[in-house]
Amino acid sequence: AQKITQTQPGMFVQEKEAVTLDCTYDTSDQSYGLFWYKQPSSGEMIFLIYQGSYDEQNATEGRYSLNFQKARKSANLVISASQLGDSAMYFCAMILTGGGNKLTFGTGTQLKVEL
Amino acid sequence: DVKVTQSSRYLVKRTGEKVFLECVQDMDHENMFWYRQDPGLGLRLIYFSYDVKMKEKGDIPEGYSVSREKKERFSLILESASTNQTSMYLCASSPVSHDVGSYEQYFGPGTRLTVT
Repeated sequence: AQKITQTQPGMFVQEKEAVTLDCTYDTSDQSYGLFWYKQPSSGEMIFLIYQGSYDEQNATEGRYSLNFQKARKSANLVISASQLGDSAMYFCAMILTGGGNKLTFGTGTQLKVEL
Repeated sequence: DVKVTQSSRYLVKRTGEKVFLECVQDMDHENMFWYRQDPGLGLRLIYFSYDVKMKEKGDIPEGYSVSREKKERFSLILESASTNQTSMYLCASSPVSHDVGSYEQYFGPGTRLTVT
């Protein structure tokens, strides 16, 4: 069975600095996808970025980039130039091709951006 | 914009009550999901449905049932609510695709259920 591990329950970062949120995954499948979602205090889940297992380049979306290291089974999220509005819970998730579109989520990292 | 709506943002029920949580999506998605979110545990899949009247158990189906009579609507039912079902419940939908990159799920705003 697949598993996602996020080892940082909480993180602090100063405004305008970069921060890396860790995510490791475990699967024996060769074809899978990795997602990051943001959940502000209001509760909605916001899709941030996606990386496919066969993608050779790291995914980027604006200030978000995904540092994908396949051999290490890690998919860390990097947020550059942090803003106060980045304060939220961040979830890493994995999907398997043929897995019925089911996502497996990590336990999340609470990020707080400080002045 | 894809829109997933849930019937209530906050709900308070008594132990033993039958509880219905409704989810509606407007993008004609085949797949719909119910998750529960608890601190330190992340999101856990309760049930999902890949077509009308079709359902599959997720990781924690005990104490829950679901209904999908129409494509756009997916209901989560707590037959006899218990205090350990106090949680945040999130509904999501996604299209069917063989391209993993299209598997993004779209979430509703969540229902915070308290069972007293």
